[in-house]
Amino acid sequence: KQEVTQIPAALSVPEGENLVLNCSFTDSAIYNLQWFRQDPGKGLTSLLLIQSSQREQTSGRLNASLDKSSGRSTLYIAASQPGDSATYLCAVPRNAGNMLTFGGGTRLMVKP
Amino acid sequence: DAGVTQSPTHLIKTRGQHVTLRCSPISGHKSVSWYQQVLGQGPQFIFQYYEKEERGRGNFPDRFSARQFPNYSSELNVNALLLGDSALYLCASSLLEREAFFGQGTRLTVV
Repeated sequence: KQEVTQIPAALSVPEGENLVLNCSFTDSAIYNLQWFRQDPGKGLTSLLLIQSSQREQTSGRLNASLDKSSGRSTLYIAASQPGDSATYLCAVPRNAGNMLTFGGGTRLMVKP
Repeated sequence: DAGVTQSPTHLIKTRGQHVTLRCSPISGHKSVSWYQQVLGQGPQFIFQYYEKEERGRGNFPDRFSARQFPNYSSELNVNALLLGDSALYLCASSLLEREAFFGQGTRLTVV
């Protein structure tokens, strides 16, 4: 059974810092890994999807890496801003059907 | 293009009642999945439908059921509501093996 863990559960940083969010998974036989952002009480916004054949994916100030052999992914946020404050979730599909198993999320607060 | 739309946005029900939640996927997406998110936790997979067929079911009781219609929209039904069913219910659509896109969710409160 796939288990996904995110550390830390919460993080508070001053504006402008570069930061790294961690995601680990127990079964390395994944098709892809997806990172999401969730604002309080809202739905999930897809940030990045990394295919199993890729090592990293970039979108603006976000960079996600994937190391299948070690069961880890990191989300790097450069020059953090107060608007980045949200919960960040990673998820992996249980099979080709894209039925996702989520981590518990990292709640990020960026202070002005 | 419209994203994934869910209705209603909020709902309050009494224990023992039945509820129906609705989801319209992104145009062209034939796969719809449902998730339950309890406050402070990550979403938990409930069902996935593809081309009107159930492709997967999570660890939820039989009180939970779903279906997909010919236009690929979907309904999630929950019978005999319990207080513990209070949660944010999320719908996602995708092309299989591709990026999943989520709606804004339905906040269900059971009193």
